Amino acid sequence: GDSVTQMEGPVTLSEEAFLTINCTYTATGYPSLFWYVQYPGEGLQLLLKATKADDKGSNKGFEATYRKETTSFHLEKGSVQVSDSAVYFCALEVGSNYKLTFGKGTLLTVNP
Amino acid sequence: NAGVTQTPKFQVLKTGQSMTLQCAQDMNHEYMSWYRQDPGMGLRLIHYSVGAGITDQGEVPNGYNVSRSTTEDFPLRLLSAAPSQTSVYFCASSTTGTGEQYFGPGTRLTVT
Repeated sequence: GDSVTQMEGPVTLSEEAFLTINCTYTATGYPSLFWYVQYPGEGLQLLLKATKADDKGSNKGFEATYRKETTSFHLEKGSVQVSDSAVYFCALEVGSNYKLTFGKGTLLTVNP
Repeated sequence: NAGVTQTPKFQVLKTGQSMTLQCAQDMNHEYMSWYRQDPGMGLRLIHYSVGAGITDQGEVPNGYNVSRSTTEDFPLRLLSAAPSQTSVYFCASSTTGTGEQYFGPGTRLTVT
C-alpha cells in the first residue's frame, strides 16, 4: 500500500537557522505530494504541493522538490522564524482519488 | 465564506454513549472526509464521501457511521463510545482533482 515516512521530531531550532524535514514515500501509482502545516490549536492547512517529478513546490519561504528517483519530498527553509513553530505533515495522494496518506508529523519549535 | 466548520470543539463522553460530530462546508466541494489524529500516528482516514448519497470506508472505520444527504453536511456518528475513540477529529473537504483538502478546526473528544 501507500505510505509516508518523515523524520521523527521534535526538531528545535534557533531563529534564522536552516530547516530540513525529510520525507520519503512508497506509492502504488504516481502520487501527488503535499506538505501540510498545523499551527497550535488549529486544523491542517496546505503549505505546498508538487504533482510530478522534478516539480518544486514553494510557499512562505518553504520549498520541497519532488524527487522520483529517491522517492523523496524533503521540506526546506533557509531561515526559520518563531512563527514557523508548528507540526508539519508530509502527505501523498495517488490518482486524484481524494484520499490523502499522511506521515506521522514532525513538531518544529523555533526559539528566539 | 466560512470554509469548513465543525461542532462541538470539545466533548466528553462516557463509555457507551452515542453522539454526532457535525461538519459543514460552504465551498460546494464534492469530496468530504473524516480523519482522526492521535499522538505519534499522524492522521488516519475514517470515512469519506465523493458526493451526496455516496460514502465509503477509510482506514479506521470501525465504531463510526456517516451519511451524506446534502453536499454541505457530513456528520460523523459514534454509536457506542469507547476510550479508544479518544482523539482529535478533523473534517476536510476538497474539490475535484486538485488534491488540496481544506480542514476544519477539529473536535477534541474524550471518552471516559
